[in-house]
Amino acid sequence: DAGVIQSPRHEVTEMGQEVTLRCKPISGHDYLFWYRQTMMRGLELLIYFNNNVPIDDSGMPEDRFSAKMPNASFSTLKIQPSEPRDSAVYFCASTLAGGPVTDTQYFGPGTRLTVL
Amino acid sequence: QQQVKQSPQSLIVQKGGISIINCAYENTAFDYFPWYQQFPGKGPALLIAIRPDVSEKKEGRFTISFNKSAKQFSLHIMDSQPGDSATYFCAASIVGGGNKLTFGTGTQLKVEL
Repeated sequence: DAGVIQSPRHEVTEMGQEVTLRCKPISGHDYLFWYRQTMMRGLELLIYFNNNVPIDDSGMPEDRFSAKMPNASFSTLKIQPSEPRDSAVYFCASTLAGGPVTDTQYFGPGTRLTVL
Repeated sequence: QQQVKQSPQSLIVQKGGISIINCAYENTAFDYFPWYQQFPGKGPALLIAIRPDVSEKKEGRFTISFNKSAKQFSLHIMDSQPGDSATYFCAASIVGGGNKLTFGTGTQLKVEL
């Protein structure tokens, strides 16, 4: 398996623009997580899905952030409008609940977002 | 009550030495304690994990020590190598429900020659 795939790897945009980050989880995994990593706040869980249904979005910082999972192999995280303080590395991770290595989360390579 | 506190923030160890990173948690419902390793430009990857029914788990040069009564756990890297230089995150979760992880703030480890 290719692992968790994220695109783009780098995104530079201007304040006020819409940004869409994409994630393809590992095939067969039933949970998908979106994290944000910054020097100041470390790794923060934004939202997670189970079988394409959002379970907990309490970590989503503002209404400007939204996430969808239209099917088992694709998820998006959208920021509209973007602000400089959204600059961070965004990770997607997936897991198979009760899998061989119990609940191990597999992370993608991340998207480095810079909002000017 | 969901926090996981990690220390130190950064650590420099000589090659061959022992690296020790500590974490403490508050939520007694946590029952799964993994450590993740992250290299620059990469996503975190599971290194080793422990359940509270054992006090120690060893995998090669990496050992987790767990103290349930103190609500603390630590990662020991024996015979540290330059290739171990990375950021290490402890985490905690309640097994089931997709394993929603609460991460510590990370420790930047540098192993010098």
